Amino acid sequence: QSALTQPASVSGSPGQSITISCTGTSSDVGGYNYVSWYQQHPGKAPKLMIYEVSNRPSGVSNRFSGSKSGNTASLTISGLQAEDEADYYCSSYTSSSTLEVFGGGTKLTVL
Amino acid sequence: EVQLVESGGGLVQPGRSLRLSCTASGFTFGDYAMSWVRQAPGKGLEWVGFIRSKAYGGTTEYAASVKGRFTISRDDSKSIAYLQMNSLKTEDTAVYYCTRDYIGYCSGGSCYPTSHDYWGQGTLVTVSS
Repeated sequence: QSALTQPASVSGSPGQSITISCTGTSSDVGGYNYVSWYQQHPGKAPKLMIYEVSNRPSGVSNRFSGSKSGNTASLTISGLQAEDEADYYCSSYTSSSTLEVFGGGTKLTVL
Repeated sequence: EVQLVESGGGLVQPGRSLRLSCTASGFTFGDYAMSWVRQAPGKGLEWVGFIRSKAYGGTTEYAASVKGRFTISRDDSKSIAYLQMNSLKTEDTAVYYCTRDYIGYCSGGSCYPTSHDYWGQGTLVTVSS
């Protein structure tokens, strides 16, 4: 069981928007603004999409955005494209000895 | 262009050891913390541990699942990070990724990475008899 809770799957049609949630506790997501989101295509390495809740690294499309409310962080992808189909993982710094916790991952299907 | 290339994976028997290497290029290796993150077959990501840059003491931190068995080190002159894995267990079977880290949080005199901005392609470690 992962420390952060994500839905196992979400889906959307091209052009639509989807949101993936990531729920933790006050020791991780709720206590720090250090939530990251990673995209992973099958057989590939993860890629950083969002860091510090809502910041996009250079080169990441502005269709990707992040937010946080309480113990839940969210990744929103607008204008869905076929290439967005992938697994998405959230992670957070945690005050526990683990230091970093990941969500179990969400499979995004573009219909 | 930032590149991270892992090597050293393979099939190993339970209880044995293995050392992974991560060769970096395209950036000043010594300026960055480096982490190892693993992914068991068909499963999610798990942070294994990281090593700070010399500027932050060059010290290490580990996940509870590997503490005392795994050791991370670095050779800044060669731009290589290492993961020494001892007393391997079947549950250590995974693809191991090395990552370049962004140090975003400091507290109590120590600083910690808060995101992994570049990842290698990974190397598969299979622990089986």
